[in-house]
Amino acid sequence: ETGVTQTPRHLVMGMTNKKSLKCEQHLGHNAMYWYKQSAKKPLELMFVYNFKEQTENNSVPSRFSPECPNSSHLFLHLHTLQPEDSALYLCASSLNWDRGSNQPQHFGDGTRLSIL
Amino acid sequence: SQQGEEDPQALSIQEGENATMNCSYKTSINNLQWYRQNSGRGLVHLILIRSNEREKHSGRLRVTLDTSKKSSSLLITASRAADTASYFCATVGTDSWGKLQFGAGTQVVVTP
Repeated sequence: ETGVTQTPRHLVMGMTNKKSLKCEQHLGHNAMYWYKQSAKKPLELMFVYNFKEQTENNSVPSRFSPECPNSSHLFLHLHTLQPEDSALYLCASSLNWDRGSNQPQHFGDGTRLSIL
Repeated sequence: SQQGEEDPQALSIQEGENATMNCSYKTSINNLQWYRQNSGRGLVHLILIRSNEREKHSGRLRVTLDTSKKSSSLLITASRAADTASYFCATVGTDSWGKLQFGAGTQVVVTP
């Protein structure tokens, strides 16, 4: 139990569907992250939220829309995805997001997304 | 862009043996972290080593850092079947706001 919970664990959707991924952390952290993990590739940072404010958007296509209503919850809204978007989407949290941070990140178990 | 690169890409050993994997990186770092990922699960933080540290231990894990060579190693001693997983190094650059740059990982299989 890492203290970071992601739902759903698996999601299959068509390219025209709209769905959302949810992440919740019970660690009292202030920073939350979305990563994409594709086979044979390093983890790609997508978004960073610090104290509910988006501080990093790593050139992510607009078909991915994040939302952070509070420091404990993070959503990733999906719309009109492409087959190449099939991947494992991981949420993580850390105490803070600051310069030269010496803090580890705590990951959820991810949502395995398949686009038909 | 990828910062850490792990070597080897895959490692197969017997229970009881030691497993060593290496990580090389390109830019100046504030710290380097090692994570483990079991199949179908998220990443679990193992060890964080700061740029002014040279060696760190945690249980059966030993991490070294050589900033002059821009490299790190992770040693797992007396490996167990439960150590079967992918291992990733990740760096936080000196110009980075806590942004972790991951390598592609080393897949370790420990057979009983």
